[in-house]
Amino acid sequence: GAVVSQHPSRVICKSGTSVKIECRSLDFQATTMFWYRQFPKKSLMLMATSNEGSKATYEQGVEKDKFLINHASLTLSTLTVTSAHPEDSSFYICSAYRRNTEAFFGQGTRLTVV
Amino acid sequence: RKEVEQDPGPFNVPEGATVAFNCTYSNSASQSFFWYRQDCRKEPKLLMSVYSSGNEDGRFTAQLNRASQYISLLIRDSKLSDSATYLCVVGRDSNYQLIWGAGTKLIIKP
Repeated sequence: GAVVSQHPSRVICKSGTSVKIECRSLDFQATTMFWYRQFPKKSLMLMATSNEGSKATYEQGVEKDKFLINHASLTLSTLTVTSAHPEDSSFYICSAYRRNTEAFFGQGTRLTVV
Repeated sequence: RKEVEQDPGPFNVPEGATVAFNCTYSNSASQSFFWYRQDCRKEPKLLMSVYSSGNEDGRFTAQLNRASQYISLLIRDSKLSDSATYLCVVGRDSNYQLIWGAGTKLIIKP
């Protein structure tokens, strides 16, 4: 079964609304999770590092007020895209790194803002 | 300069051939290296980690050259099912944050 579960897999929202994406590690505790974004035919880009119990660390150029990250427990991180615009339409993927093994990825969320 | 660079391809290769990809990275402090495979519209999946001594897994061989700061992936006896995008991934010195190459698209033709 999936080690990291991401929900929803697809979402269509209206411009100006907010969308929340959940990422859960199912069989291990993830003190750190990562959020990536992938535009068509482009590589995954690290957006932010989500740390349990503390503020997320954002990559340069990623607006922290637009992409709100909450990592309230050792198994759940959420990404909220606030006031979404069509240019935010993308494939968002979370991952959790289990020490000394590998990074496990969620199934991804395809966001379309209309 | 990008942190991780790959030739985007596509590489069109006949079935059964051997194909090799290279990937260069800019951060000399990088400690972990991986090759991931991504199929269209799917999440990436780990193909193999890359160790300093090089490693082999079946038809796949990965090499690391720290002096020149590149890693390579060799696929022997390619199969149709090998068609995918291969992503070079480098872990920052924190060993948690993964920096991704743009991927190399491989198309295996019958």
